[in-house]
Amino acid sequence: NAGVTQTPKFRILKIGQSMTLQCTQDMNHNYMYWYRQDPGMGLKLIYYSVGAGITDKGEVPNGYNVSRSTTEDFPLRLELAAPSQTSVYFCATGTGANSGANVLTFGAGSRLTVL
Amino acid sequence: QKEVEQNSGPLSVPEGAIASLNCTYSDRGSQSFFWYRQYSGKSPELIMSIYSNGDKEDGRFTAQLNKASQYVSLLIRDSQPSDSATYLCAVNAPRDGKLTFGQGTILTVHP
Repeated sequence: NAGVTQTPKFRILKIGQSMTLQCTQDMNHNYMYWYRQDPGMGLKLIYYSVGAGITDKGEVPNGYNVSRSTTEDFPLRLELAAPSQTSVYFCATGTGANSGANVLTFGAGSRLTVL
Repeated sequence: QKEVEQNSGPLSVPEGAIASLNCTYSDRGSQSFFWYRQYSGKSPELIMSIYSNGDKEDGRFTAQLNKASQYVSLLIRDSQPSDSATYLCAVNAPRDGKLTFGQGTILTVHP
């Protein structure tokens, strides 16, 4: 039972390159999230999904894209990487309970540097 | 106005003292509130959740919620050096699965 798996753990990109951060879960949770965390800051929501085929923008979606074709996978695509996208990226799943008790489980994070 | 705002840190308390962390939120319809702890270089982990007005206690941790004032707090009693971490307040939007975090408060407990 791996929980939430993110790959890669570290990556260095050149300005203008593109890449995909992978996130896979085996918890059978419908809700999935991508956050970024800049040094000394909190988590900013990039995109989220409440189920396969459904995605929605968070606070900072510009420069990113997502897809959710299966319950298990929620990849985050960075197009035309910029230095401002240097950050630690966290994927998370949520229980999405009807009562609103949406407890998150986080992956280990992916540290991205754009030079 | 930020959706979720925490008291600015860093917060430093001596070992054995009570640490008080505060959070305000803007969406009056929010129903679920969470406190996560994040050690340096690690992922956030849930320490408390609260859904009703009042206090909720779990060991040395007490979460307090006041929906009328749109305010949620976390008290850590008998603080230990191992409590030194960043504490993140999170609020669930009332109508969908959006979960928004505050900017975090860095807590240092010194011996």
